[in-house]
Amino acid sequence: DQQVKQNSPSLSVQEGRISILNCDYTNSMFDYFLWYKKYPAEGPTFLISISSIKDKNEDGRFTVFLNKSAKHLSLHIVPSQPGDSAVYFCAATARGNQFYFGTGTSLTVIP
Amino acid sequence: GAGVSQSPSNKVTEKGKDVELRCDPISGHTALYWYRQSLGQGLEFLIYFQGNSAPDKSGLPSDRFSAERTGGSVSTLTIQRTQQEDSAVYLCASSLAGGWETQYFGPGTRLLVL
Repeated sequence: DQQVKQNSPSLSVQEGRISILNCDYTNSMFDYFLWYKKYPAEGPTFLISISSIKDKNEDGRFTVFLNKSAKHLSLHIVPSQPGDSAVYFCAATARGNQFYFGTGTSLTVIP
Repeated sequence: GAGVSQSPSNKVTEKGKDVELRCDPISGHTALYWYRQSLGQGLEFLIYFQGNSAPDKSGLPSDRFSAERTGGSVSTLTIQRTQQEDSAVYLCASSLAGGWETQYFGPGTRLLVL
């Protein structure tokens, strides 16, 4: 049972434009959400997070939006750069024990 | 400083053999997690160690899987009588204190069971 879902396996965006990666979850007990970025042959690296008491968190070019009523979060990257090309995983946890990850979205930023 | 390291980086084994995968967490990190990523799947939680507490084994897929963490540092994930469906990338992560602390991932061990 996939509690965190990323329905778009891939996304291509022109350099300089906005990349929007989406994530849906089913468990209303999740209270913390994270995005990880993964390059080939490397482990995932933490990118940005948001707690359930917020609806937006911004860090430089990266902004995460949380819509609790829709059980949906999104990661916005603007402007997109070729170095952003990677697989992005959405993750969620309830009280920080088990972390549930989505299947990932492969982002390609075209120069 | 040194990140999370895992060994071996790649492992090919025959069905039915036992394998051991090793994880060296970041020094001082009390929490350690094991995940696996099968082809086309997301990261699947396996087990979580936090300090001296009993580990959360709720993600282990069968009793062929076990893990230890010696001295609160190095961890070994053991898969007995491997099956072809065990083929995956096994990722280890550590964090300062568990909970919402950022997890730092190792590069993974790619396991192929023939």
